[in-house]
Amino acid sequence: SQKIEQNSEALNIQEGKTATLTCNYTNYSPAYLQWYRQDPGRGPVFLLLIRENEKEKRKERLKVTFDTTLKQSLFHITASQPADSATYLCALVSGGYNKLIFGAGTRLAVHP
Amino acid sequence: AAGVIQSPRHLIKEKRETATLKCYPIPRHDTVYWYQQGPGQDPQFLISFYEKMQSDKGSIPDRFSAQQFSDYHSELNMSSLELGDSALYFCASSPLTGQDYGYTFGSGTRLTVV
Repeated sequence: SQKIEQNSEALNIQEGKTATLTCNYTNYSPAYLQWYRQDPGRGPVFLLLIRENEKEKRKERLKVTFDTTLKQSLFHITASQPADSATYLCALVSGGYNKLIFGAGTRLAVHP
Repeated sequence: AAGVIQSPRHLIKEKRETATLKCYPIPRHDTVYWYQQGPGQDPQFLISFYEKMQSDKGSIPDRFSAQQFSDYHSELNMSSLELGDSALYFCASSPLTGQDYGYTFGSGTRLTVV
C-alpha cells in the first residue's frame, strides 16, 4: 500500500544551525512533492513544491531535494530561528483530481 | 489577498447531533478538498469537489456528506455525531490545472463532540 514516512520524533536544534527533515515514500510515483508548515491549531501552509525532474529547489532559507530513485525528499532550513519551530508535513498528490496525501509530519523545535 | 474562509471556527455539539461546516474557497479555484485532523495526527483526506461535482472520496463515514454550491462554497454535513468525530476539519482549495501551486488551507473548524 502507499505510504509516506516522516521522522515522528521531534527534531531539536540550536538557533543558527541547519535543520534537515526527511520524507520517504513507497508505492508512489509522484509527479511532484510538496512541503507544508503547520502551527498548532492552524491549517497547513504551503512552502515549496518540487517536480520529479528537479533535483533541488530553493526559496530563501529553505531547500528541498527530491531523489526519485531513493524515493526520498529532504527539506532543509538554514540559519534556523526559533520562529521556524512548527510541524513540517510532506505531501504527495494522488489520483486524477490531485488530492494531497500527507505524511505524519516532523515537529521541529529551534532553541535560542 | 483573499484566503480560504471556514466557518465556524469552533463548534461544540452533543453526541447524535448534526453539524454543518462551511468553506469559501479562493475565487477562481475550481477544486475544494476537505480534511479531518485528529489530535497528533496528519490531515486525512475526506472528499473533494471539482467544478461543483464530487471528484474524489477518501475515508469519509457514511454519516458525513458534502456538496459544493453554485457560488463554489462547500458544506460538510455530519450527522449522528460520535465522540470520535472530535477533530480539526480543514478545507483547502486549488486551481486543478495549476500544479505549480500549493494548496491553500483555511484556518479550520475545531469540532468538539461531548
